[in-house]
Order: sequence, then structure tokens, then C-alpha cells
Amino acid sequence: DGGITQSPKYLFRKEGQNVTLSCEQNLNHDAMYWYRQDPGQGLRLIYYSQIVNDFQKGDIAEGYSVSREKKESFPLTVTSAQKNPTAFYLCASSIAALSLYNEQFFGPGTRLTVL
Amino acid sequence: EDKVVQSPLSLVVHEGDTVTLNCSYEVTNFRSLLWYKQEKKAPTFLFMLTSSGIEKKSGRLSSILDKKELFSILNITATQTGDSAVYLCARQGGSEKLVFGKGTKLTVNP
Repeated sequence: DGGITQSPKYLFRKEGQNVTLSCEQNLNHDAMYWYRQDPGQGLRLIYYSQIVNDFQKGDIAEGYSVSREKKESFPLTVTSAQKNPTAFYLCASSIAALSLYNEQFFGPGTRLTVL
Repeated sequence: EDKVVQSPLSLVVHEGDTVTLNCSYEVTNFRSLLWYKQEKKAPTFLFMLTSSGIEKKSGRLSSILDKKELFSILNITATQTGDSAVYLCARQGGSEKLVFGKGTKLTVNP
């Protein structure tokens, strides 16, 4: 059963705590991405990775960190430095990082609420 | 800054109506324009458009791109309640990054 999985589905954390969101894909995709979605807003890119052990900041990287130690996994850590962490987080992947046309496939998302 | 602007932001119609959703973009090394449907969680891919004037069709949904005027439209004919969703438009520029619009929230009432 191929696809992208994100866990957990819902996450609650106290203010000031770091939290890590999981994203795993078994599609053998090279590139992976993290987006944040706020109500009434489109998707905003946090970080992306074109290849293992390499990643780049997106448009709103402040207060977040990532790692890409394995092709299948791209966890996102929301740190205490992120001012408004409550949001819906979506992970995506695409087949080849340097492909001309980039259809991205999305996971089911994690809804993070900071209390 | 690369921008993708969708209109309208929300739309309420009755079953059977035809709707047209709009997406305009600024161009910087344009590669493709993509449409996604987001119901509750994960956006699902609808169309990828790369060439002007060529309509992509899937059932009651169709989309077309105008690279000269920098916009795309998504048409849905004979709408059904299951079409209710947020429709997202995204532009791919010089890299693999996608820039998304804010989406159009479509509500189809019975």
C-alpha cells in the first residue's frame, strides 16, 4: 500500500515545548516538502529536501527544523521559537527533485494545537 | 515575490450549476500550473498544465491555461455535492518548488 503517512493526526502541546511531526513515504520519491496551512490560507512552504542529507529553507522556515537522514523520512520539528505554531501541517513528496514537471503527492496532515 | 491569486475566494452554488474558478500568476521561469482538490485533509491532484490552449479534461472537470495572459481556469459542469471542497492552484517556477494560491472554497448545495 504505497503512499505518504503522517503521524500523529492530532497533536497538542504546551507553549514552549518542541514537537516533532513525522512524515514517511514508500513511493521511492527523491524530493519531500513540508507545508503549513492556516484557515483561509493556501499552503506555505516551510522546508524542502531534494535528496538525502540535504534540505533548503522555504518561505517560512523560522522556528522550524528538519532532517533527511533517510530517503523515506523527513521529520519536521516545531521549536519554541515558532511564534504561532498552531496550524495544519502537510507533508508532500515528488518523484524526482530535478524533474521538469513536479506533481506533488500529499500526506493526510497533522493538526497541531499549542495550548 | 511570486504570487498566485485565486478568485473567487468562496462560492456557493446549487447542484447542477456550472462553475468557473480562476487562477492568475506572476511568471518567473514558468514550468507548469497545477490544480488540487482539498476536501478535508490531503490535497489530491487534479491537473497539470504546461501548454497554452490545450484543455485537460477529467469527467465533469476541465482546465485550460493561457500563458500569454498568465491565468488558468478550472471548470466544473453539472456540480454535485461531492464537489464541495477547497480548490487550490499552484505554480511551478524555476525549481521544483510550488507556490500556492489561497484557494477557492466551493460549496455545492443540494
